Amino acid sequence: DIVLTQSPGTLSLSPGERATLSCRASQSIGSSHLAWYQQISGQAPRLLISGASRRAAGIPDRFSGSGSGTDFTLTIRRLEPEDFAVYYCQHFGTSPPVTFGGGTKIEIK
Amino acid sequence: QAQLVQSGSELQKPGASVKISCKGSAYTFTGNGLNWVRQAPGRGLEWMGWINTNTGDPTFAHAFTGRFVFSLDTSVSTAYLQINSLQAEDTAVYYCARDNGYNSFDYWGQGTLVTVSS
Repeated sequence: DIVLTQSPGTLSLSPGERATLSCRASQSIGSSHLAWYQQISGQAPRLLISGASRRAAGIPDRFSGSGSGTDFTLTIRRLEPEDFAVYYCQHFGTSPPVTFGGGTKIEIK
Repeated sequence: QAQLVQSGSELQKPGASVKISCKGSAYTFTGNGLNWVRQAPGRGLEWMGWINTNTGDPTFAHAFTGRFVFSLDTSVSTAYLQINSLQAEDTAVYYCARDNGYNSFDYWGQGTLVTVSS
């Protein structure tokens, strides 16, 4: 089974700073199978990025995704107050069909 | 735009059963797979499985076999998650989420909190 490991567990940053979140897969995966979600406290997750780098509809361009193979990155160029949340990566595979990473929390420094 | 609306919070006793609904609107319900995701208090997202809304065939993650049932009523564009023999560890928020066909979930229900307590 593919395991997704996200790091760091918590990121303490100030508004306006750049956030770099990592998602590492236990084996190589196709870029088209990697997605990122944002979950604000008390809300359902929201799709940010699919196919490793394609922003979902309505997602601001300060969010970008990159990576291939086993290493993927979500970058938030300049943090806005509404970006302080938990972020999850997700893999679509075959067995199991879907796996989530453990999440990275971005908190206000 | 598409929307998924889930039923309200549930408080159940250990050993009881619960059935949560997820109603789709503003899209062709049978055109997309429907997934279920669990989030225990203070924990991350855990994929439970999905149901093919065309055939009704369910697929369960390893940890969710036996006590969990996925079902549909396509006449009202609604999917259901039933959990039998509830245990305290089933206390969580349960989300339904639509598979957009591009290896991601583009619409999510608002979540249903299930609390299991005597």
